[in-house]
Amino acid sequence: EPEVTQTPSHQVTQMGQEVILRCVPISNHLYFYWYRQILGQKVEFLVSFYNNEISEKSEIFDDQFSVERPDGSNFTLKIRSTKLEDSAMYFCASSEWREDEQYFGPGTRLTVT
Amino acid sequence: AQTVTQSQPEMSVQEAETVTLSCTYDTSENNYYLFWYKQPPSRQMILVIRQEAYKQQNATENRFSVNFQKAAKSFSLKISDSQLGDTAMYFCAFMEGSQGNLIFGKGTKLSVKP
Repeated sequence: EPEVTQTPSHQVTQMGQEVILRCVPISNHLYFYWYRQILGQKVEFLVSFYNNEISEKSEIFDDQFSVERPDGSNFTLKIRSTKLEDSAMYFCASSEWREDEQYFGPGTRLTVT
Repeated sequence: AQTVTQSQPEMSVQEAETVTLSCTYDTSENNYYLFWYKQPPSRQMILVIRQEAYKQQNATENRFSVNFQKAAKSFSLKISDSQLGDTAMYFCAFMEGSQGNLIFGKGTKLSVKP
């Protein structure tokens, strides 16, 4: 069964450093998403991406964040200058159409020290 | 703004018994979708069940079923014949039809006891 994959599974970085989180969505899916979950809290939407552009973004998704689909398979989330409060689990998700169920990847645990 | 409320932070159930997890939501929209996701200790988010707001019939997936009360804006999840593998966090989520982003509740931690 097709699945969303994410790399790395765990990333440790120092405050102020740039990080890139990678995702490979399910191949025939058209909509891609990033969510984050701070430990012990609920899952929060960051951004959605369709047709090579951002379709929705939340207040969390400020100028420090960017997304890209550099080729036909990868979908990346970049954080330019990490802060301690960026420490969280970051989930990538994809869906075939906007109203369809979203399939989540296993997540990348980001630890900012 | 839409909100999703799960009023039960933690619940427990004996193996083979039935348990119901509550979820309410607030929206002024008429076109929307509701979901239950399961997050086991591995922290992977797994879709359990999906309900379209325009459908009156409650969704069912094997041992999982929902009680969707549109007027009351309630969307509860019933797990029948609970199994140890059902132990997880369960998140209720809302999606407006014109947007793709999921809005999650805070979750209910379910423990299935042998």
